[in-house]
Amino acid sequence: QKEVEQNSGPLSVPEGAIASLNCTYSDRGSQSFFWYRQYSGKSPELIMSIYSNGDKEDGRFTAQLNKASQYVSLLIRDSQPSDSATYLCAVNEGNQFYFGTGTSLTVIP
Amino acid sequence: SQTIHQWPATLVQPVGSPLSLECTVEGTSNPNLYWYRQAAGRGLQLLFYSVGIGQISSEVPQNLSASRPQDRQFILSSKKLLLSDSGFYLCIGDLRPRAFFGQGTRLTVV
Repeated sequence: QKEVEQNSGPLSVPEGAIASLNCTYSDRGSQSFFWYRQYSGKSPELIMSIYSNGDKEDGRFTAQLNKASQYVSLLIRDSQPSDSATYLCAVNEGNQFYFGTGTSLTVIP
Repeated sequence: SQTIHQWPATLVQPVGSPLSLECTVEGTSNPNLYWYRQAAGRGLQLLFYSVGIGQISSEVPQNLSASRPQDRQFILSSKKLLLSDSGFYLCIGDLRPRAFFGQGTRLTVV
């Protein structure tokens, strides 16, 4: 049974702080990893994708992948109230995508 | 560019009525397509996936069915809706190297 696990939260951070979101996956054969942001009642939107070990930075977002430990994380620097949303981790392996249940993030002004 | 079109955006249906949600893909051919449901306060649950025309795999026994009559068309159906079918339905396309989401359909069964 392939699984993607996320802490459901809620995670609360003050404005300007770093928010750290974590995701673990069960299948060592997974090759592609994604972070999606979902505002309430809306469809998820892609924030970051990462395919190799290490860090990938895009603006205030940094994705970190460690295949040996089977985890992928998302760091949000200088968190803003507009970052308040649910963050979904997704893993692609073979023919399918596997999604975590999401972590709810609230940035407190 | 690759896009997923899904409609309608919102739907209110009475218990026992039929359902048809449609998803179409632009900008690519032969994508893997998925129907997911997100119940209130819960994560995404895979309902069906399709790797090609007429090829449907069901992940969860339920009151729903899916069909793929054309390469770029994926349809979610029900003959008789239940209250428990309410939720947010997402069509997702495996458009490598990433997944693209349709806009979602908010279904409320009353």
